[in-house]
Amino acid sequence: GAVVSQHPSWVICKSGTSVKIECRSLDFQATTMFWYRQFPKQSLMLMATSNEGSKATYEQGVEKDKFLINHASLTLSTLTVTSAHPEDSSFYICSARDSEGLSSPLHFGNGTRLTVT
Amino acid sequence: QKEVEQNSGPLSVPEGAIASLNCTYSDRVSQSFFWYRQYSGKSPELIMSIYSNGDKEDGRFTAQLNKASQYVSLLIRDSQPSDSATYLCAVKGGTASKLTFGTGTRLQVTL
Repeated sequence: GAVVSQHPSWVICKSGTSVKIECRSLDFQATTMFWYRQFPKQSLMLMATSNEGSKATYEQGVEKDKFLINHASLTLSTLTVTSAHPEDSSFYICSARDSEGLSSPLHFGNGTRLTVT
Repeated sequence: QKEVEQNSGPLSVPEGAIASLNCTYSDRVSQSFFWYRQYSGKSPELIMSIYSNGDKEDGRFTAQLNKASQYVSLLIRDSQPSDSATYLCAVKGGTASKLTFGTGTRLQVTL
């Protein structure tokens, strides 16, 4: 149980274009999903918390107009990197909990490796 | 001071030995603690979770928590080459729902 599916697993795009990444909870409903970014040899950095039916909460320093998050249903959240630039190249990982208890762990998708040329 | 601190390593242990991974955190009201394993190029996978002071064992893994010292550790017994990965410590605060991750400790199990 508690499977999070992320698509695509990798994408290469040209500078200036936009890329959409999908995150789905396959066997549970997730009112909240989390989007992380990881640069090589660094830890996961939380970008934003995606809330179903409402606006996402962005961490300090993350541009909400550049990283558009939509959480339209209890099983799907999307992250769109708009006007991507080479410095946006990174490993993007979504996660979700299958329950809201304090002790519930995060389950991660397989990640999306974005390369902007 | 970082919220969650780990030694980046690499920590090198011979096959069959015990690997000891350590993590300290700054938020005293933290309530939930998790250890994730991350292979290169992959997303993290949950290894252990612990919420109460003391030890929690699951197979070859033992998590230890000391809230007074704000310290959590992970012991891996009978280390195998397949255990070679980066181990991330994650902490969940009192009221916040988000997890804060440490930078991870890279473990190398040598033959």
